[in-house]
Amino acid sequence: QITLKESGPTLVKPTQTLTLTCTFSGFSLSTSGVGVGWIRQPPGKALEWLALIYWDDDKRYSPSLKSRLTITKDTSKNQVVLTMTNMDPVDTGTYYCAHILFGYYDSSGYKNYYFDYWGQGTLVTVSS
Amino acid sequence: SYELTQPPSVSVSPGQTARITCSGDALPKKYAYWYQQKSGQAPVLVIYEDSKRPSGIPERFSGSSSGTMATLTISGAQVEDEADYYCYSTDSSGHPVVFGGGTKLTVL
Repeated sequence: QITLKESGPTLVKPTQTLTLTCTFSGFSLSTSGVGVGWIRQPPGKALEWLALIYWDDDKRYSPSLKSRLTITKDTSKNQVVLTMTNMDPVDTGTYYCAHILFGYYDSSGYKNYYFDYWGQGTLVTVSS
Repeated sequence: SYELTQPPSVSVSPGQTARITCSGDALPKKYAYWYQQKSGQAPVLVIYEDSKRPSGIPERFSGSSSGTMATLTISGAQVEDEADYYCYSTDSSGHPVVFGGGTKLTVL
């Protein structure tokens, strides 16, 4: 059974750096075709992906936030860490981590992945 | 990257069929996925690869795709199906990063 759980501060001040940890079980990030992603959701708004990391340490970042994000993995601890610098009140929201699974090869030969299991999310408020 | 467009809201009476659409230029080449998010809860995958249903998801949930539009159908919608539904798909490189804006389904 795959489970994921986010942890980190619930309140950060503007300009501070946010560090969130995703601790998971039921899979290994050293297994081919597997990854973990971070997605956030401002209150009352839609989902927005932030960063992905795969079993081979390939990393992807949202273009609009790339300069502020870093994603790393610790395979031995079954953890993925996301850091976001220079936090602003607009970054307030629920932050989720999710398990990524290989889905299919498309017509161009690319591997396509999808999120299947999600953590419960952690609410982060940015306020002075 | 491209966008996925969903209607902001859909409303049906209990027992009726609810259809939620998702349009995007890449959908003829990419599969669509659907999540259900109930208030205060994490998203749950209800349809993957256009029309496949994960284990544990009721049979009343089904998916289809034609051209640039994917559709989530809930046959005989129940009050417990009231939630936000998000479609999403993959970018040109296959990463799961293209989310729709979400559709609020009201069943009453």
